[in-house]
This record gives sequence, structure tokens and C-alpha cells, in this order.
Amino acid sequence: EIVLTQSPGTLSLSPGERVTLSCRASQSVDSSYLAWYQQKPGQAPRLLIYGASSRATGIPDRFSGSGSGTDFTLTITRLEPEDFAVYYCQQYGSSPYAFGQGTKLEIK
Amino acid sequence: QLQLQESGPGLVKPSDTLSLTCTVSGGSITSGRSFWGWIRQPPGKGLEWIGSSSYRGNIYYNATLKSRITISADTSENQFSLKMSSVTAADTAVYYCTRLRYEDVWGIPRGAFDIWGQGTMVTVSS
Repeated sequence: EIVLTQSPGTLSLSPGERVTLSCRASQSVDSSYLAWYQQKPGQAPRLLIYGASSRATGIPDRFSGSGSGTDFTLTITRLEPEDFAVYYCQQYGSSPYAFGQGTKLEIK
Repeated sequence: QLQLQESGPGLVKPSDTLSLTCTVSGGSITSGRSFWGWIRQPPGKGLEWIGSSSYRGNIYYNATLKSRITISADTSENQFSLKMSSVTAADTAVYYCTRLRYEDVWGIPRGAFDIWGQGTMVTVSS
């Protein structure tokens, strides 16, 4: 069973800044089957990135994903006010599908 | 535009069976490359995959919950459902129905959860 560890737990940043979130897997994720989701309070998660680096439909290009094997990152180039949320990574290369514990992005 | 909507009781007694239904609108559950399932999130905590099913009944469960859960699809109603038996307070969570759009199937359908319902809070309490 693959365990995903996200870091840091919380980040305090200002709009306009660039941020990189980390997701590390306990073993290699097959074929980069890694996704990123954004969740705002009281809302369902929204798919941002799949296949480690492909943006989902309608996702702005300030969001980008990269990585392979056990180390993956989500980068937001210029933070907008609506980007402050919790971000989860998830692997879907093997069962059970697993999520990281989340990184909370808060306004400084 | 495909949408998912959960329905079911918000309060379930300990040891009872939790039953939820997800209604699919704006598309069919028989559409290609799709699995339909459930993810839950305890208050203030992270996300846990429960299980996913094709409309034909190919079902994949989280092994930690497998003995207590049943997922089924009803093509005539364009719905799918979750039943979880012998619930305890630890099953208190927001339950989301989801679509998994798979890229391939290799032991399991491999794809991200691209569409989510709004979620329904289920509390287990007497």
C-alpha cells in the first residue's frame, strides 16, 4: 500500500507569490499516475492535475505539476486570492487509491 | 455537463446500515471509460477512497472497508449506491460520490476522480 506524505502542512503566503507543494510516495507510483486536487471550505475537492503533469479541463495555466517515481510537486506561479485552499495529492497506480494528508495554503 | 448528487439519511444509528444514492444528471452512467464510486472525509480530516464500480458491476473496494460495503449501479435510474453495514462513530464523515475517468485498467481502473458530488454529511449517533 502506497502512503503519500505532503509537505509542508501549512503555508502562509501572499497573493502574487509563487508556491511549490511537495508530495512524496512511500514507493514508486506506476506511470506517474498522480493527481492533485484543490478543496475549499464546505466544497468538494476539484481535480487540478492528473498524470502528474496534465491540467484538468478549465484549470488555469498558473497551475502545473511535475515529478515521477516517488517525488511530485504542484506549482502555482502567481497566487490569486481564490487559490488559498487545501491541496491533496492522490495516487491511482495501485490499490488502494490513496490521498496525501493535505497542504493548507493560507493568506499571510 | 455531468453532475452528481448524493442523497440519503444524515443520521444513522450505531450498528445500523448506512445507505446513500448518487443520481447522475447531464450524462449516462453507461458512458465510456467511467467508474462510479464513493470517497469520504471525516470532519477536519483527509480523504479516504471507499470503492468504485463500473455500470456493468466490476467493483473495486478499499480492502479496509470491503467486508462492510456494497456498491451497485442502476442503469435504469442512472444512479449508483453505497451500503455500509455495522457503522460506528468512526464512519461519521462527509460522503462524496465521484466519477473516475480511467486512462487504463491494470488490476484496477487507473484514473483520477474528475467529477464529484457536493457531498452529504452522515453522522453515526444514537
